Amino acid sequence: NAGVTQTPKFQVLKTGQSMTLQCAQDMNHEYMSWYRQDPGMGLRLIHYSVGAGITDQGEVPNGYNVSRSTTEDFPLRLLSAAPSQTSVYFCASSYRQGSFEQYFGPGTRLTVT
Amino acid sequence: GQQLNQSPQSMFIQEGEDVSMNCTSSSIFNTWLWYKQDPGEGPVLLIALYKAGELTSNGRLTAQFGITRKDSFLNISASIPSDVGIYFCAPMNYGGSQGNLIFGKGTKLSVKP
Repeated sequence: NAGVTQTPKFQVLKTGQSMTLQCAQDMNHEYMSWYRQDPGMGLRLIHYSVGAGITDQGEVPNGYNVSRSTTEDFPLRLLSAAPSQTSVYFCASSYRQGSFEQYFGPGTRLTVT
Repeated sequence: GQQLNQSPQSMFIQEGEDVSMNCTSSSIFNTWLWYKQDPGEGPVLLIALYKAGELTSNGRLTAQFGITRKDSFLNISASIPSDVGIYFCAPMNYGGSQGNLIFGKGTKLSVKP
């Protein structure tokens, strides 16, 4: 099992550019989520999904889109990057919503200039 | 809204010292989790607490779920250099429909050999 994988590991964007952060898990988990981590702010939930075809907003969803067409993949899209989106992004998955053991990917460090 | 306070924000200690950190919430939860994030990695679950008043150990780590269900603490005894990282509390209502994790802002631990 690869667990939760994320690509790319590092990315630099210019303001206004778009990109997709990839996340995949091979554990057949129903629940997947995206967090951003900023210094002194902990991990804040951006979007989550309780299963294929179902997504919902978390605490800080503005500027991000998600979709879940398969159980395995949960990409995060930035439509028009802004410097405020400079952060480290983590994808996580768990057996189902309410399962306490969430497995995190290694993270994507994004810089927007 | 819900407030979650984790303290201290950071600690600089000597190898061999004991460490204590805690979280308090404005809301009641039925589960308290503690995660550790090694530098450059995603968080990993350390300890899960399910019952008010519960005291649980995992090696040199001891965590307690407060009687009021609004707080939890984590102790690390006889710290070693590999304890370095960020520790997060993450309360939740296990099994409920609202099973999204909320993370504290983290306690950054530095250990001097």
